[in-house]
Amino acid sequence: QKEVEQDPGPLSVPEGAIVSLNCTYSNSAFQYFMWYRQYSRKGPELLMYTYSSGNKEDGRFTAQVDKSSKYISLFIRDSQPSDSATYLCAGTMNRDDKIIFGKGTRLHILP
Amino acid sequence: DSGVTQTPKHLITATGQRVTLRCSPRSGDLSVYWYQQSLDQGLQFLIQYYNGEERAKGNILERFSAQQFPDLHSELNLSSLELGDSALYFCASSRTPREAWEQYFGPGTRLTVT
Repeated sequence: QKEVEQDPGPLSVPEGAIVSLNCTYSNSAFQYFMWYRQYSRKGPELLMYTYSSGNKEDGRFTAQVDKSSKYISLFIRDSQPSDSATYLCAGTMNRDDKIIFGKGTRLHILP
Repeated sequence: DSGVTQTPKHLITATGQRVTLRCSPRSGDLSVYWYQQSLDQGLQFLIQYYNGEERAKGNILERFSAQQFPDLHSELNLSSLELGDSALYFCASSRTPREAWEQYFGPGTRLTVT
């Protein structure tokens, strides 16, 4: 079992819809959780991070972590065609530990 | 633009050959990370350097090696290349290892081994 798993997609949704992206992880020692966005032929860019369980909101994006179920979610409100990308979830045990990435979910926002 | 630069963008070489990938971290960042990204394995951590010293190793093959120079740029050396080494190689940087959760990635080098 991989440490971080996510559905590869593609996930296609109409513009303006709410997008829900999800991951599960197996390492209960993970404390930091990140979402990276990767556009085609580009490097990943850090979108959001959360520490332990809870929610964090940044504009149209909300990250949610449920450590009891080892479930990580990213919600995108009012989705835009520019949100079309691959979204990688990731976890790490400590601030200075290596990051374990999921394989990514491809998202297409249809105009 | 993350501020991390990588050269070359593309590299095509033959099996058995050796190549060197280069990375310059963001200004002020002391820690450099190398990753390999392939369709089947996803983004895999290879190795980390901090202020010129190796700090952590991931799934790096013995045929691969890296170093970080006094000006903080880093090079990843891949030797005895095999077809399966074809992948995207990313470099990332952070201020210090304590900010490893906040890494900034370069645009990557696409390696094709024929």
